[in-house]
Amino acid sequence: AQSVTQLGSHVSVSEGALVLLRCNYSSSVPPYLFWYVQYPNQGLQLLLKYTSAATLVKGINGFEAEFKKSETSFHLTKPSAHMSDAAEYFCAVSETYNKLIFGAGTRLAVHP
Amino acid sequence: DGGITQSPKYLFRKEGQNVTLSCEQNLNHDAMYWYRQDPGQGLRLIYYSQIVNDFQKGDIAEGYSVSREKKESFPLTVTSAQKNPTAFYLCASRGNINTEAFFGQGTRLTVV
Repeated sequence: AQSVTQLGSHVSVSEGALVLLRCNYSSSVPPYLFWYVQYPNQGLQLLLKYTSAATLVKGINGFEAEFKKSETSFHLTKPSAHMSDAAEYFCAVSETYNKLIFGAGTRLAVHP
Repeated sequence: DGGITQSPKYLFRKEGQNVTLSCEQNLNHDAMYWYRQDPGQGLRLIYYSQIVNDFQKGDIAEGYSVSREKKESFPLTVTSAQKNPTAFYLCASRGNINTEAFFGQGTRLTVV
């Protein structure tokens, strides 16, 4: 069965610092993986997705993620944090039967 | 504009009452989903539907019911059997397993 684990429910960085949000997945078949961002009281917006093409995926707002099969990981990074990046981030996996499962989320805080 | 619409945005329910949340999409997507969001627990899958007249239970289906009579619509009923219904509910749709899901803006349900 597929599942997603996001390490760290809260991450705090300084403006301009590297952002690293961790995601590990469990899947019995090659997965499709997604990162979403959520601002307060809103729906989710797609940042990027992995669908078995390039292992390094670039998304919107300067975010990227690398698929590492050996580590079953799909960590999200951004070289330089901006105040507007403060939000909650969700990793998701899609496997069979169109089921889409999300992790518990990581709340990112960016301080001056 | 294509998109997914949830209504109402805020909903209040008395204990013991059933209430129905609306979700409509005009993206021509086959798959639709309902998630419940509680602080610190991420998005938990309630029900999903891959095609009209078919739906499957997610991880927390108890106390909820759905129907999928039309491709565009996937209403969720929160029944009186749901003991803790106060939460933020998100509806999503997508075309197939390797594409991203599009989300509505959510419905915040409060039991009074």
